[in-house]
Amino acid sequence: GAGVSQTPSNKVTEKGKYVELRCDPISGHTALYWYRQSLGQGPEFLIYFQGTGAADDSGLPNDRFFAVRPEGSVSTLKIQRTERGDSAVYLCASSLNRRGQVYGYTFGSGTRLTVV
Amino acid sequence: SQQGEEDPQALSIQEGENATMNCSYKTSINNLQWYRQNSGRGLVHLILIRSNEREKHSGRLRVTLDTSKKSSSLLITASRAADTASYFCATDAVGAQKLVFGQGTRLTINP
Repeated sequence: GAGVSQTPSNKVTEKGKYVELRCDPISGHTALYWYRQSLGQGPEFLIYFQGTGAADDSGLPNDRFFAVRPEGSVSTLKIQRTERGDSAVYLCASSLNRRGQVYGYTFGSGTRLTVV
Repeated sequence: SQQGEEDPQALSIQEGENATMNCSYKTSINNLQWYRQNSGRGLVHLILIRSNEREKHSGRLRVTLDTSKKSSSLLITASRAADTASYFCATDAVGAQKLVFGQGTRLTINP
């Protein structure tokens, strides 16, 4: 597609439930990033994929968070046993970035996750 | 953790005036980027300046970078109501391969 697509746009879930957030990046973008943004804050880095592999997962807050990108395109962020503190907007971005070449990121519109 | 800090946190000016936002960061960088965000959803890439560049222009935007002071500024000239948004600087630290964002500046343009 023309842009980065994230689904769902909004998700309300009960505390303790499992959720999956999907990101469909721009075709041909090998780099994919997940960020989390709380109200009034800047985006906080979660994880970065280069192709199928997670090149940097240092931002995942704990082992309840996991992300995959099995075919190097669509990525899914998975959150187990959700807590109210997980409520935030989850942003996905993709880029042509590869070693030695740097480009700006294209962001999706985000998934607003609310844990009640 | 946030690498960059924007200043001011909020800025309100009249349409037609120039808006200047500043960003400071802590570590050596490969490049610095500025993004705009409307209504708390997706961010839009505005401009990228590499560590060996000092100034860059794009339309009404002017970005400067001073690596000795670890700071950057974004100037929007002849502001318009549509420029109302939050503006974030993001740094690509040496060896990091990811952007780290600051807290942002909320810019309001009054008609």
